[in-house]
Amino acid sequence: DQQVKQNSPSLSVQEGRISILNCDYTNSMFDYFLWYKKYPAEGPTFLISISSIKDKNEDGRFTVFLNKSAKHLSLHIVPSQPGDSAVYFCAATEALGYGGATNKLIFGTGTLLAVQP
Amino acid sequence: KAGVTQTPRYLIKTRGQQVTLSCSPISGHRSVSWYQQTPGQGLQFLFEYFSETQRNKGNFPGRFSGRQFSNSRSEMNVSTLELGDSALYLCASSSGQGRYEQYFGPGTRLTVT
Repeated sequence: DQQVKQNSPSLSVQEGRISILNCDYTNSMFDYFLWYKKYPAEGPTFLISISSIKDKNEDGRFTVFLNKSAKHLSLHIVPSQPGDSAVYFCAATEALGYGGATNKLIFGTGTLLAVQP
Repeated sequence: KAGVTQTPRYLIKTRGQQVTLSCSPISGHRSVSWYQQTPGQGLQFLFEYFSETQRNKGNFPGRFSGRQFSNSRSEMNVSTLELGDSALYLCASSSGQGRYEQYFGPGTRLTVT
């Protein structure tokens, strides 16, 4: 049962254009979402996160949008650069009943982004 | 500030053996989580330690275990290795719980032959 889904295994974009990576989730208890970038044989690198109380968070070229009603989030990279070529993972953590949260990250399957010069 | 470090980076073991992997978190971080990455299953949560206590555990058999020391360094152990245990094992550290970013180390590539 895949609770976090990235339905596009790959995406190719021209340098300078916008890259849009999508992620869907099924668990309504998820309340914090993160995007990671990963190169082969390396650990994931944290990019940006968003709490469920927000619908947008921006950090430089990276913007994450959250649509709670649709259980959907997206990562926008503008402008895309060749160095952005990597696998991008969406991840989520779950709120706990007493108001806390867990550090258990549930990852999507990843989207391979290729930015063409 | 130094990042998360993992040792060793590469390891080759024989089926039936056991292995211990080590992780040193970012200074000041008290939470350490472990993940397994395989081509078939993707990135999966193994367990999390906070202040030397296991706080959360994923769906892995009891052959996978871990511990955390008073300096927050963590080790994970896999006993009776199986071919399917071949994977990239990643450690992540965090300063808090849940709504805090987790920072990953470079991983240990384990190959079981």
